[in-house]
Order: sequence, then C-alpha cells, then structure tokens
Amino acid sequence: QVQLQESGPRLVKPSETLSLTCTVLGGSMTHYSWSWIRQPPGKRLEWIASISDTGITNHNPSLRSRVTISLDMSKNQFSLRLTSVTAADTAVFYCAREVPAGAKTYYNDWGQGTLVTVSS
Amino acid sequence: SSELTQDPAVSVVLGQTIRITCQGDSLRNHYASWYQQKPGQAPLLVVYGKNNRPLGIPDRFSGSNSENTASLTITGAQAEDEGDYHCNSRDSGVSVFGPGTTVTVL
Repeated sequence: QVQLQESGPRLVKPSETLSLTCTVLGGSMTHYSWSWIRQPPGKRLEWIASISDTGITNHNPSLRSRVTISLDMSKNQFSLRLTSVTAADTAVFYCAREVPAGAKTYYNDWGQGTLVTVSS
Repeated sequence: SSELTQDPAVSVVLGQTIRITCQGDSLRNHYASWYQQKPGQAPLLVVYGKNNRPLGIPDRFSGSNSENTASLTITGAQAEDEGDYHCNSRDSGVSVFGPGTTVTVL
C-alpha cells in the first residue's frame, strides 16, 4: 500500500502563498490521479484540486483562481500552491491518491494531514 | 447543484444496524464513496462503487444507491465504528464531499 506524506510550512502569513508537497512512497504515480483536500477545523472536507498522471488538472471552482497543482513524477511528488491566503484558509490539508474509475472514482489512500495556520 | 447532504448525527446501540444516507443530484450519475474519520486522523475509505470494500474493511460495512441517494449500512455496529462518515461524489469533474455524519455507538 502506498504511503503519502505532506510537507511544507505550518504557518503562513495573510496575503502570502501556501505551498505544500506530497511525497508518494512505495508505489508508482502512473495510472492514478493525485488530489489535495482540506478540512477547516470543525468543518467538512473540501476538495481543492487534482492532477492526473498525464498532467490534466481539475480545480474546485471556488478556489480555481488561487490554486496551482503540479506533478513531478521523477521525484514521486505533487505540489499545491494557494495564493493570497486568509484566515479562512486555515485547515488540515490532505493529499490523496485518486483511483480514476469513471462513475466509481474514489480516494483509496490519504496522507496523515498537515495543519496549516494562516496568521500574522 | 452538486451539493451533498447528510444527517449531522446518528446513534446506534452496540450490535444493532445503522444506515447513513447521502443525498445529491450528482449521485444520479456517480456512485458515492464513503470515508470513516476518527478524531485527529485522516479519512479512511470504507465503501466505494456499487458496493465495494477495500481490503481490511469488515464486511459489516455495505453500500447501496438509488436515484439521488446513497446509503452506508453498518450491520452489527461495533464500538470502533464510532466516528465521522463522509460521502463523496463527482459532478462534471468537480469532487464534492458531504458535511459528514457523526456516528455514536451506545
């Protein structure tokens, strides 16, 4: 079973850019899509964006203008950049492996999550 | 609308059966997947597709789908089944989660 590990700063100042990287351990990135999902304290999970192994991206419309997702298969990593952050972006950020299966698509592996706080 | 709705909380007596539902228009075209989440932990996939369980998930977890409603049933709930349960679906490439249902085992 693959393991996913999020890494990046835990504290980001308002108006700055949040950057996270997910390292995929113990498996290939081929034939899967890779996603970022966040969960503000006490709130529901919110999908941010995903990228396929061929680089095709999908974004949450509500975050599209601020989000960049990228893939580096040579390093077995994918990354997230979220610009112009505010306190509302404080959340636990998860990276997840998505199994593209048409109408049955699902997330079968998740990182442990990393709490990113936006504060000055 | 791609929004998914779930009951906020349900309780079940130890050993009894509980059904959690998820409603939304996207479920007419995409199966729900279900995730169990315990405090301080990442979500864990428990059911996906028509009624599939990943390896290691007990067979007391099952899923069903009808029209715009997906259901997760726990037959013979155990104490370790307490937690939040989130449904997920997709609508035109956009992934959507429900608000989650908190399950308490009495």
